[in-house]
Formats: sequence, C-alpha cells, structure tokens
Amino acid sequence: AQTVTQSQPEMSVQEAETVTLSCTYDTSESDYYLFWYKQPPSRQMILVIRQEAYKQQNATENRFSVNFQKAAKSFSLKISDSQLGDAAMYFCAYRSAGMGGSQGNLIFGKGTKLSVKP
Amino acid sequence: EAGVTQFPSHSVIEKGQTVTLRCDPISGHDNLYWYRRVMGKEIKFLLHFVKESKQDESGMPNNRFLAERTGGTYSTLKVQPAELEDSGVYFCASSQVGSLSGSPLHFGNGTRLTVT
Repeated sequence: AQTVTQSQPEMSVQEAETVTLSCTYDTSESDYYLFWYKQPPSRQMILVIRQEAYKQQNATENRFSVNFQKAAKSFSLKISDSQLGDAAMYFCAYRSAGMGGSQGNLIFGKGTKLSVKP
Repeated sequence: EAGVTQFPSHSVIEKGQTVTLRCDPISGHDNLYWYRRVMGKEIKFLLHFVKESKQDESGMPNNRFLAERTGGTYSTLKVQPAELEDSGVYFCASSQVGSLSGSPLHFGNGTRLTVT
C-alpha cells in the first residue's frame, strides 16, 4: 500500500523569505501523480501544484515549485517570496494513475502547518 | 462557478445519536468523494460516487456509515449511531466526469463533527 509522509508538523518562515516543505512517499507503482494542497484556516482546501511521475521536469506555479526526486521518492514544495496569505496547512498527496480501482483515491500525508511572520 | 458546499460546518452530538452530513458538488461534476480527517492523523478516503453509483467504498470504516447520492446530485453521509472515534473533519470533493487521475479534486470546507 502507498504511504505519504510529511515529517514537519509545523514550519515557520519570515515574510519574503523562502521555505521548503518536505514530503516522501512509498509506492511500488511507476505511474502516479503527486499533489500539494493548501488549506487556509476555515477555508477550502485548494490545489497548489501537481506533478506527473513520468515527467522529469519539476512543476512550477508562480512562487511555488517542487523538487521531485523519483528515485528517492521525495516531493518537496518550495515557496519563494513568502506572503502572509501563504499561512495554511499544506498537505502532500499521492494518486495512482492506474485505471483500476478508484481514480479519486488520494493518499494524504498528515500535513504541515506553515506560519508566516511579518 | 459555485464551489463544493458542505452542511453543516460544525456539528456536536452525543454518542449514540445520528448525524447526517450533506455535500453539494460543483454543478456538472459526476465524481463525488468523501474523506475524513481524524485529529492528528492523515486525511483518509471514505468513498467515491460516479453519479449515483458507488464506485469505491473501500474506505468506509463500518456499517454505521451510510452514504447516498440519489439522483446523482448532492450526497449525504449518515452516521448512526455515532461513536466518540467518529469525531473529525469530513471533507467532500468533486471532479468532472471522465477526468483522468491527474485532474484535481475540488474540496469543500469540510464538516467538523464532534461526538461527546
């Protein structure tokens, strides 16, 4: 069974600085997707960034980028130029790309609570 | 476009009582999912509907949980009778029909359930 591990329950960053959230996963599959979701306090969980396992190039979305190391099964999220609005719980998630079973079955890590200091 | 909405946002009930959670997916989204996060633990998959049919209910913890999606629109998740360990945040998510595994899910705000 696949597992996702986020080893940092809490992180803190100074506004305008850069922070990296770590995520590792375990799977025997070769084709899958990885996601970072963000949940601000009392608000909806939204997708931050997505990575296809078959792509070697790291995904980037504005100030958010990932460091995807497939062999090491590592998928860290880097937030550059941190803003106050980045404060949230960040969840790393895995999803099989196989056609069998549920295509919606995301496997989540426990989350990392990010605080941004002004 | 309205997002995924969940009702209620909070519910506090006593052990043994019944609670029904509701989820309205984004209009046109045939895929509907329920997830649960127990305090301090991972968000866990409960089940997946495609329209009104249960595609995968492998994550449902036991037969005290009943999910329905009559007409393929909104969904309800009933817990009867509720136990202390059912406390947590219940998330609903939806995605478009025929979406591939890489398509993102759109989540609701969640329902925080407290069983005392």
